[in-house]
Formats: sequence, structure tokens, C-alpha cells
Amino acid sequence: GAGVSQTPSNKVTEKGKYVELRCDPISGHTALYWYRQSLGQGPEFLIYFQGTGAADDSGLPNDRFFAVRPEGSVSTLKIQRTERGDSAVYLCASSLSSLDEQFFGPGTRLTVL
Amino acid sequence: GENVEQHPSTLSVQEGDSAVIKCTYSDSASNYFPWYKQELGKRPQLIIDIRSNVGEKKDQRIAVTLNKTAKHFSLHITETQPEDSAVYFCAASIIGGSQGNLIFGKGTKLSVKP
Repeated sequence: GAGVSQTPSNKVTEKGKYVELRCDPISGHTALYWYRQSLGQGPEFLIYFQGTGAADDSGLPNDRFFAVRPEGSVSTLKIQRTERGDSAVYLCASSLSSLDEQFFGPGTRLTVL
Repeated sequence: GENVEQHPSTLSVQEGDSAVIKCTYSDSASNYFPWYKQELGKRPQLIIDIRSNVGEKKDQRIAVTLNKTAKHFSLHITETQPEDSAVYFCAASIIGGSQGNLIFGKGTKLSVKP
């Protein structure tokens, strides 16, 4: 079956711009996670959704970052006033429930010039 | 919060040899420990995981051991093959309840020489 998908695969933007990154989880998966991976590092947790609600947003670095999952399926990560330090690969993962293994998407490579 | 340390950062072995990667964690409440393999430019893929109610789990050439008292767990790959070359990440998590996010180590770059 279809795995987790993310769009776009690459995004280049200028400092100060707004970007949206999309995640389509595996159908039926109630838990959805966003991570950020910098070069040579492990993924770093950003936010976790259980259904439509953000169960844990403690990993969001500041208030420029926001994520939604309005219908409990697709999620959008939104970054306002992008900074060069935001450049990274943004990974989305989903699991059947919070008790199950997480399946990762291919990521969106964000480059802020 | 949880902190996961992973060693070594790079590991080079000859094809057919074994490879061992070790991780320690800090939060005794962590109860789920997956290992992910990530090839260059690809997504992390789960290769094996272990929960805190068991001490060892094996799947063909891959095994993971967990020592809850010492708060460390290890990945063992036997009879390594060139296609095992990748970056391996360990992670720890508290599953059940309001959490579930993975805390990752910094990764081990494994190179298997033919």
C-alpha cells in the first residue's frame, strides 16, 4: 500500500518568506509526527498529533512554527518569516496509534537563502 | 528530558564481519527502542525495535539487546554485506499516554567493504 508522502520534495525560499510543507500519512494512521533533520544529525522531534489535536508541540523551536491537522489525516507544517537556520530536511512520520511503529515519509528539503 | 547517546559515529568493517552499535539513554521511563537505517537521501526505515519487557530480539542477521538497569541497548549485525552500508540511528520513546515522539541518537555511519 501507499506509504507516507510529503510535498514538495524540495523547497527553496528567501529569508523572511512563509512556507507550507504537506504530509499525507498512511491511511488509517491516527498518530502523526513532524521531525527536522539537519545534516549529519538524527531527526529532532517537532510536534505530535493524535487525531486532529496536537498532543505534544514541545519540540517546536519558536512561535514562527505552527502545524495543523484539521481532519485527522493530512497535516501541514507552516513556517513564518523563515530564517537561514530553518534549512533542513523536514520529515513526517505516522503510526497506527501512539503504541505502534512510526513510518517515515521521504522528507521535504527546505533551503532558506 | 530524554537524551540518547550513540557510539561509534563511524564504523568500518569487512564484508562478513559483525558490526555492533551502542546507545545509552537517560530517562528510565523510556519503554520503546527502535533502530532505523537511513541510506543517503532516503527516508529512515525501521529495521528492528525492542520494548522494555524483553531483553533481546532477533530478526535474521540483526539483533538488538536491551539492559534496562544500565539504560543501554545495542544493535548487532552479523555477516555484514555491502548493502548494509548506511547511517543507523537508535531512538528511545515513552509510548502510551500523551507522548510517543522518538528521541534519536546522532547516528552511526556504517561502511561495509567488499
